[in-house]
Amino acid sequence: GNSVTQMEGPVTLSEEAFLTINCTYTATGYPSLFWYVQYPGEGLQLLLKATKADDKGSNKGFEATYRKETTSFHLEKGSVQVSDSAVYFCALSDYMNSGGYQKVTFGIGTKLQVIP
Amino acid sequence: DSGVTQTPKHLITATGQRVTLRCSPRSGDLSVYWYQQSLDQGLQFLIQYYNGEERAKGNILERFSAQQFPDLHSELNLSSLELGDSALYFCASSVVSSGAENTIYFGEGSWLTVV
Repeated sequence: GNSVTQMEGPVTLSEEAFLTINCTYTATGYPSLFWYVQYPGEGLQLLLKATKADDKGSNKGFEATYRKETTSFHLEKGSVQVSDSAVYFCALSDYMNSGGYQKVTFGIGTKLQVIP
Repeated sequence: DSGVTQTPKHLITATGQRVTLRCSPRSGDLSVYWYQQSLDQGLQFLIQYYNGEERAKGNILERFSAQQFPDLHSELNLSSLELGDSALYFCASSVVSSGAENTIYFGEGSWLTVV
């Protein structure tokens, strides 16, 4: 079945440091890949997504590239801010033709703490 | 604001009781998902509905049930509550065309505390 492997946190960085959160996946078919962010006390929000191989998703300075050859979708940001402190979830979506539904698999989430 | 509305936002109840959590999906979204988030188990998929029909079931206990109504709102019923059921319960919705690229939009969650 589908699975998403995400690096465990917490990840602690100083402000303006470079961020990488690793995400790898296993899937059959042609999945779409997502990064969601959860700020304290809030629900998950879509951060970025990519729907096919070599696509790059980007938003708010964050980027991730859909690498089919390495089955990866690593999240990167060149310079983190304190306001980026949150939990980040990598997710994979696949369409199940047999049941006619979209199946979404989430990683365990990586907590990022950015200190001034 | 994602457009997904969940009520109540907070709920405290005693062990053995039953509660109902309510979700209104985004306008036009036919699919509803329920997730449980606890500190020790991360984000767990419970169940998914599409246009009133159950489509997928995850780690949902037999004490829990859900349904999606004709107006597309959904309810998650939790019964015989135990201390371990204390968690944040999320509802999410998506359009779901025949593809995998649809974004799932999450509500702000319902905090359940069982005492």
